[in-house]
Amino acid sequence: ETGVTQTPRHLVMGMTNKKSLKCEQHLGHNAMYWYKQSAKKPLELMFVYSLEERVENNSVPSRFSPECPNSSHLFLHLHTLQPEDSALYLCASSQVSVAGVDTQYFGPGTRLTVL
Amino acid sequence: AQTVTQSQPEMSVQEAETVTLSCTYDTSESDYYLFWYKQPPSRQMILVIRQEAYKQQNATENRFSVNFQKAAKSFSLKISDSQLGDAAMYFCAYRSAYNNNDMRFGAGTRLTVKP
Repeated sequence: ETGVTQTPRHLVMGMTNKKSLKCEQHLGHNAMYWYKQSAKKPLELMFVYSLEERVENNSVPSRFSPECPNSSHLFLHLHTLQPEDSALYLCASSQVSVAGVDTQYFGPGTRLTVL
Repeated sequence: AQTVTQSQPEMSVQEAETVTLSCTYDTSESDYYLFWYKQPPSRQMILVIRQEAYKQQNATENRFSVNFQKAAKSFSLKISDSQLGDAAMYFCAYRSAYNNNDMRFGAGTRLTVKP
């Protein structure tokens, strides 16, 4: 197991619900990421927080809202989702330095089903 | 934009044999990083091997090695002496050295290991 944890591991929600996904990294990294993994499609980078600064991704619908209160925690707030948002949501972290960016380490993911 | 292509959706190999997974990428950049990640069924994605584009020598990690052909934009993964535990989805990934927040993944190759 890597030092990145995600909760919950499974989530079923209706289209009108509001829920949040949580990610925590224990590696001392200063960058965190949200990815969406759908079947038979490449991983899609959704959001990046680097040195606690958010990097916008304009292709992500506003029904997904990230929050990074500190360098160890990352949240993804969900509201009024669509069935096509059902996927595995992966969190990752890495260390950013003047030398570049180190390898990303992934959490186990949250399997989200939107009914 | 950089794209990563894995042309083999599925591969199989006999235990103890060698298998090669293909990956090509498209970029106009001269400096970048390439990765192979492994995602076992219902388990976390973990890094298998990484290659810096400025290094001519192919990376190796025990039974895993790459064939990095920069001019051809090819980055294949060779698994020697395959083991049952190697069965997983394998993802090839590209990260620019100029945009640390942008990491692109291929669609993955599902590797089956036959006993």
